[in-house]
Amino acid sequence: DQQVKQNSPSLSVQEGRISILNCDYTNSMFDYFLWYKKYPAEGPTFLISISSIKDKNEDGRFTVFLNKSAKHLSLHIVPSQPGDSAVYFCAAKNSNSGYALNFGKGTSLLVTP
Amino acid sequence: GAGVSQTPSNKVTEKGKYVELRCDPISGHTALYWYRQSLGQGPEFLIYFQGTGAADDSGLPNDRFFAVRPEGSVSTLKIQRTERGDSAVYLCASSLTPGTSGYNEQFFGPGTRLTVL
Repeated sequence: DQQVKQNSPSLSVQEGRISILNCDYTNSMFDYFLWYKKYPAEGPTFLISISSIKDKNEDGRFTVFLNKSAKHLSLHIVPSQPGDSAVYFCAAKNSNSGYALNFGKGTSLLVTP
Repeated sequence: GAGVSQTPSNKVTEKGKYVELRCDPISGHTALYWYRQSLGQGPEFLIYFQGTGAADDSGLPNDRFFAVRPEGSVSTLKIQRTERGDSAVYLCASSLTPGTSGYNEQFFGPGTRLTVL
């Protein structure tokens, strides 16, 4: 069963605008959430993370918001740049049951000039 | 410094054959992970090593899959009697020793694309 869900397989945004990528999870024991970015023929690279004790984490153009009651998180990219075009994976972990990351299926973001 | 490397980058084999996939983690990283990414899916956890021992192999799909890390550095994922459903990108990641709290970033290699004909 898919415990981390990214329901939008793709998203297209104009350069300079905001990109919002969404992620839902079902396991209430998840306590750490991450976003990974993946270019073709490369491995995923870590982008930003958030602990369950916070509701927002910001790093430059990237902000992750966590709504625990809704079991929902989102990644905001402002302003979007063409180089941001990639597949974005949401991932979650339960620190009490090991170190494995549970990934969503990914959202392919295209930022057009 | 060098990142995580995986060889081969591509492997084509026939159904029923045996394959080995290699992972060289980042130097100094004691934790090593294998994931499998099937087409249209996110990476799926297979196994986690802390040093030489498999600390968590709960993600291995069946006993045809086995992984070793004899010296606590390089790891080999071994698949016996390959099936067409094993076709996927096999990703390796490494990290510093996970602490009791927080998170140590997992650095991923580029993956090995396995195709079973």
